[in-house]
Amino acid sequence: KAGVTQTPRYLIKTRGQQVTLSCSPISGHRSVSWYQQTPGQGLQFLFEYFSETQRNKGNFPGRFSGRQFSNSRSEMNVSTLELGDSALYLCASSPGTGRETQYFGPGTRLLVL
Amino acid sequence: GENVEQHPSTLSVQEGDSAVIKCTYSDSASNYFPWYKQELGKRPQLIIDIRSNVGEKKDQRIAVTLNKTAKHFSLHITETQPEDSAVYFCAANTGTASKLTFGTGTRLQVTL
Repeated sequence: KAGVTQTPRYLIKTRGQQVTLSCSPISGHRSVSWYQQTPGQGLQFLFEYFSETQRNKGNFPGRFSGRQFSNSRSEMNVSTLELGDSALYLCASSPGTGRETQYFGPGTRLLVL
Repeated sequence: GENVEQHPSTLSVQEGDSAVIKCTYSDSASNYFPWYKQELGKRPQLIIDIRSNVGEKKDQRIAVTLNKTAKHFSLHITETQPEDSAVYFCAANTGTASKLTFGTGTRLQVTL
């Protein structure tokens, strides 16, 4: 099976702009989780989508949002970008029934100038 | 919410020696504990995981132990090799949700 893919791989934006990142899970996986990875805060959970519904949410401001489509592909959006949003954004997919291995994509590296 | 602490933050061992990384978690309802290895510039990759109904699991040179009473779990790597050099993350999830709380990572360096 093909692995988790993310696009774009690299992105440069300026403060105040908005950005949309995409994640395609492993075929058959219905859960997609998003994480932010920074040197200072490590890996932090953003949210999880399962069957087009947000099932879990982390402690991030409302500027961070996401959605999932009927084919399980997911997008996350960050509005009004801040310098501190510069990070590696990782998505992970799993079948979605809980206590399962999550497989990570290669990530999208976002730089906010 | 869940909190996962990981120690040490850096670990240097000689090739062939063993390496041990320890994590503690706060939520007694946590029931799934994966370990990920992340090489520079690459995605985290699962190396081993353990569920709360098991005390120990081994896969070749890698083993994980879980002590539910003390709420801690450990990663053991034996006969370390240079290719084991990477950052290792422990994590815990809670309930049936696919939400992982990660430790802060351990940078393992295996020297010749």
